[in-house]
Amino acid sequence: NAGVMQNPRHLVRRRGQEARLRCSPMKGHSHVYWYRQLPEEGLKFMVYLQKENIIDESGMPKERFSAEFPKEGPSILRIQQVVRGDSAAYFCASSPGSSGNTIYFGEGSWLTVV
Amino acid sequence: AQSVTQPDIHITVSEGASLELRCNYSYGATPYLFWYVQSPGQGLQLLLKYFSGDTLVQGIKGFEAEFKRSQSSFNLRKPSVHWSDAAEYFCAVGAGKTASKLTFGTGTRLQVTL
Repeated sequence: NAGVMQNPRHLVRRRGQEARLRCSPMKGHSHVYWYRQLPEEGLKFMVYLQKENIIDESGMPKERFSAEFPKEGPSILRIQQVVRGDSAAYFCASSPGSSGNTIYFGEGSWLTVV
Repeated sequence: AQSVTQPDIHITVSEGASLELRCNYSYGATPYLFWYVQSPGQGLQLLLKYFSGDTLVQGIKGFEAEFKRSQSSFNLRKPSVHWSDAAEYFCAVGAGKTASKLTFGTGTRLQVTL
C-alpha cells in the first residue's frame, strides 16, 4: 500500500511564475490536507479538502494560493505569481475520515523561489 | 485556539543516554496528541499518538509518551538513544473529533553524540 505521494519533490521557480504541487493520497483515503513548513518553523495548516470540496481553508493565504481535489486525479496546490517568501516545504497528508483518524504525511515538496 | 509549546529548540545527548522531549499544549477539551519525527529533507513519520485511555502510550522505535492532563503535557521519552535518532521532533495537537487539522509545535532538534 503506497503512502502519500507528492510531486515534484523539489521545484525551483522564478518570482512571478506559477507553482503547482501535486498530492496523491493513500489508497482508500478521501481526505487531504496541505501544510506549509517555513524554514526553522513547525508545520502550519493550510487547507483541508475532500473530493470536489474544500472543507476548511482557514490557513490559506487570501491571495495567490488555491487548492483543489477533483473527483479524479491528485489534489493540486497552486501558487500564482510566486514570491521569495513562498519558499518552503509543502506537505500533503491524507486520512480515511476526519473523526479520530490519524493523518499520514507525504515526503513533501520543497519550493524554492529565486 | 489550541497551541503547542516545545520549550527546547535543540537538545544534545550521548548515545545510550535517556531522552525526554517536552511538549505542553493548550486546548479546551480532551486533546488528540501526536509526536512526529522528521529527518533532514524528509517528510514526517508518526511516532505515536494519544486519543484516549491509557495515558502512557507506546510508539515505534522504542519511544513512549505520557499524557498528563494536570500539567497539559505530553512528553516524549526513550530510555536509550541511538545515533539514528538524530532528527527533528514535532509535537502536535488535533482539534476535538477532527484529529486532522493539527497544530504543531516549532520542533526540537535532537543531536546524538557518539
